[in-house]
Amino acid sequence: NAGVTQTPKFRILKIGQSMTLQCTQDMNHNYMYWYRQDPGMGLKLIYYSVGAGITDKGEVPNGYNVSRSTTEDFPLRLELAAPSQTSVYFCAALAGGSGTDTQYFGPGTRLTVL
Amino acid sequence: GENVEQHPSTLSVQEGDSAVIKCTYSDSASNYFPWYKQELGKRPQLIIDIRSNVGEKKDQRIAVTLNKTAKHFSLHITETQPEDSAVYFCAASDPEGSARQLTFGSGTQLTVLP
Repeated sequence: NAGVTQTPKFRILKIGQSMTLQCTQDMNHNYMYWYRQDPGMGLKLIYYSVGAGITDKGEVPNGYNVSRSTTEDFPLRLELAAPSQTSVYFCAALAGGSGTDTQYFGPGTRLTVL
Repeated sequence: GENVEQHPSTLSVQEGDSAVIKCTYSDSASNYFPWYKQELGKRPQLIIDIRSNVGEKKDQRIAVTLNKTAKHFSLHITETQPEDSAVYFCAASDPEGSARQLTFGSGTQLTVLP
C-alpha cells in the first residue's frame, strides 16, 4: 500500500511549455485534491474531485486543468507554463466516509518555470 | 469562504521548553481542525486533529485546544526536542461541506534550540 504517489519529483519547464503532473492513490479514496505551496507559504487548493468523473475548481485554478477518469488517478495539467507557476505541487486523498476527514498527501512535485 | 490566520510565523524555543501556535478561523460552520507537520523538503503529515464537539485532545507531548465561541484553536508541544523543528500548519474544514476542503494557515517555522 503506497498511499499517494506523485511523478515526477522535479521538473524544469520553459515558459510556454506544457506538462502533466501525475497523482495516483491506492487507498480507494473518493476525494482527491491538488495544492500548490509557494516558498514560505501555506497550501492553496487548485482543484479537487469528489469521485471519478467529477472535478471542481479550488481557490487558485487559473492556468491548470484536471481530469478524474478513474478513482486512482488525478492528473494536473499545465498548458502554458508561466514563471508564476513555479511552486511545489502536492496531491492529497481523503476517504470520504463518515468520520474520515484526514487528507493524506503525496511526496510532492517541485516545478520550476524559467 | 473560510479564512485561517496563524501566529506566530516563526518560533524559537529552547529544548525542553513548551511551544504554542495559535490559529483563528472565520467560518462558524467549520468543525474539523487538523494540524500538519512539514519537515524540510517533505510532505505535510497529520500530527493531531480535533472536532468541534471536543474542547481538548492530547497525544503524548502534543495537545490541541479549541474555543468555538472565539473561533480559535491552538497547538501545544511540551518538552520540545530538536526533532520537533519543522513548519506546522493549522487548517479548518467543514466536513459536511461538498468536498471537505481544508483551508490552511500560512504556517509556523518552529526551531528547537539544543
